[in-house]
Amino acid sequence: NAGVTQTPKFRVLKTGQSMTLLCAQDMNHEYMYWYRQDPGMGLRLIHYSVGEGTTAKGEVPDGYNVSRLKKQNFLLGLESAAPSQTSVYFCASTPPGGFQPQHFGDGTRLSIL
Amino acid sequence: AQSVTQPDIHITVSEGASLELRCNYSYGATPYLFWYVQSPGQGLQLLLKYFSGDTLVQGIKGFEAEFKRSQSSFNLRKPSVHWSDAAEYFCAVGVPFGNEKLTFGTGTRLTIIP
Repeated sequence: NAGVTQTPKFRVLKTGQSMTLLCAQDMNHEYMYWYRQDPGMGLRLIHYSVGEGTTAKGEVPDGYNVSRLKKQNFLLGLESAAPSQTSVYFCASTPPGGFQPQHFGDGTRLSIL
Repeated sequence: AQSVTQPDIHITVSEGASLELRCNYSYGATPYLFWYVQSPGQGLQLLLKYFSGDTLVQGIKGFEAEFKRSQSSFNLRKPSVHWSDAAEYFCAVGVPFGNEKLTFGTGTRLTIIP
């Protein structure tokens, strides 16, 4: 049982390039989340989804887009990468109701030069 | 809006010593409270959670936390730490009807010395 899998694990981009981070979960969870983790700032919610075909903005959505075309996948896109987006990105999923534990992936370390 | 404060950025304790990590929250009512742990290079794992009822909650790995409404606190404790407890610890708050979203504190890094 893989849980939450993030692809890629590491990536270096140049300013202005675009890329997509993939999150896949095999637990049939309805809710999925994208966070970014920066030193001294904890985890901040970028976007989230409460089901297939739905997405919503979190605390820091600017510069990012997301899609949830399939229940098991949640994609995070950077259309034009900026150095301020250098961070570690985490995906998480959880079933709805009762604040079940969020299951986290191992993260994607992204550097923007 | 809710918020979480973890006043200690870094704590060092000796192996076998007791541990207390502080967490204070801000919310108009009683929120749902959580402690997560992150080992290096990994995602977060839930240690324990508080929803209601008994204000002392037990979690995994021998951790416990106490909810104190009067102090808006949810401090994490362990009687005797092990070297494997070295990690970063995050307190988080969730609110009802919030789509299960969590607001995390900035984390406390725990170092264990022999």
